[in-house]
Amino acid sequence: LAKTTQPISMDSYEGQEVNITCSHNNIATNDYITWYQQFPSQGPRFIIQGYKTKVTNEVASLFIPADRKSSTLSLPRVSLSDTAVYYCLVGDGGNTGTASKLTFGTGTRLQVTL
Amino acid sequence: EAQVTQNPRYLITVTGKKLTVTCSQNMNHEYMSWYRQDPGLGLRQIYYSMNVEVTDKGDVPEGYKVSRKEKRNFPLILESPSPNQTSLYFCASSLLIRDRANEQFFGPGTRLTVL
Repeated sequence: LAKTTQPISMDSYEGQEVNITCSHNNIATNDYITWYQQFPSQGPRFIIQGYKTKVTNEVASLFIPADRKSSTLSLPRVSLSDTAVYYCLVGDGGNTGTASKLTFGTGTRLQVTL
Repeated sequence: EAQVTQNPRYLITVTGKKLTVTCSQNMNHEYMSWYRQDPGLGLRQIYYSMNVEVTDKGDVPEGYKVSRKEKRNFPLILESPSPNQTSLYFCASSLLIRDRANEQFFGPGTRLTVL
């Protein structure tokens, strides 16, 4: 089962771009990479998901190199409200019988200040 | 409103007293899952379900049971709770796309304390 490693914490100023990297060295061929955001006392909230190269939505971009052993979540122009914990999640390949066992990392605590 | 609900939100109980935490979703999702969250350990999957009557163990299933008799409900059962099960519990649901869990929607959490 693929494990993930993220920095424990990061600091940023408001308006800057923030990049959070997740390592997943033993990712399986069919695994997808998903990022979630969590505020205190709330459930995680989906941000973005990808398989390879680059994915972009209205809130973030996800960069995945060719070897897929890592991924980078990019948050453009963060604001104070982006202060949260960000989780990288790897899984699953969708093979019937082994699918959907999902592993979260320990998360990166992002602190945004003025 | 599309949502995942959990009950109770807070529970204090004693060792050995059986309890059930309910989880319900109104989005017709096939996939449902339970996680526990502990300081420094992130979210760890307890059990998951791909559909009605289909459940499987996650990373930390010991001491827990689940059932999936209806598509919308996925209760978490602690037959004999112990203090090491004191934690924050989250239920989540998702559509399955080609047997793969897609974006998960999480409930508000249940904070359980076992004395």
